[in-house]
Amino acid sequence: RKEVEQDPGPFNVPEGATVAFNCTYSNSASQSFFWYRQDCRKEPKLLMSVYSSGNEDGRFTAQLNRASQYISLLIRDSKLSDSATYLCVVYNQGGKLIFGQGTELSVKP
Amino acid sequence: DTGVSQDPRHKITKRGQNVTFRCDPISEHNRLYWYRQTLGQGPEFLTYFQNEAQLEKSRLLSDRFSAERPKGSFSTLEIQRTEQGDSAMYLCASSSAGTDIVGGYTFGSGTRLTVV
Repeated sequence: RKEVEQDPGPFNVPEGATVAFNCTYSNSASQSFFWYRQDCRKEPKLLMSVYSSGNEDGRFTAQLNRASQYISLLIRDSKLSDSATYLCVVYNQGGKLIFGQGTELSVKP
Repeated sequence: DTGVSQDPRHKITKRGQNVTFRCDPISEHNRLYWYRQTLGQGPEFLTYFQNEAQLEKSRLLSDRFSAERPKGSFSTLEIQRTEQGDSAMYLCASSSAGTDIVGGYTFGSGTRLTVV
């Protein structure tokens, strides 16, 4: 079993749609949680950190449930420019980031 | 440019050849990471350094792979006797111990290796 598992993609949605990505992690000792965005053939870039209290950054809302070891990302009013691969990432006590396989999002006009 | 630099950006090599990649981290970062990413997968951890010490190596890092960070600054990743399965994007990232836990990683643009 992979340490971080994500919904398989791709997600194809129209502009303006709301889309949700889910992720589970297996290491209960994981310390920090993130969503990264990766554009085609580019490096991953930090989108946002994820906290148990939930956090929002504009159209993006992230949520962490430590008891269920579950992480989510909600994108509202999706834009064409949101098309990318979204990576669920955990930072574990070994001092490194562990990535999920990524979920591809394609927003269509 | 104060980001993480990787060289070369692309490398095409014949099976069986050796290749070496270089990563120059952000100068004030003491941690340096190597990841490998294949098509349709997320980056997979290979190894990381704190200063010049290699603190962890993944079991993915077979004996054909070696990484160094001799003076705690730049790092090299060498793959000996390349195989077609080594074709991937090799990503380097750097961070400072203490800030990485809050997402203070910076990734380089990667080296795309194709083994023919």
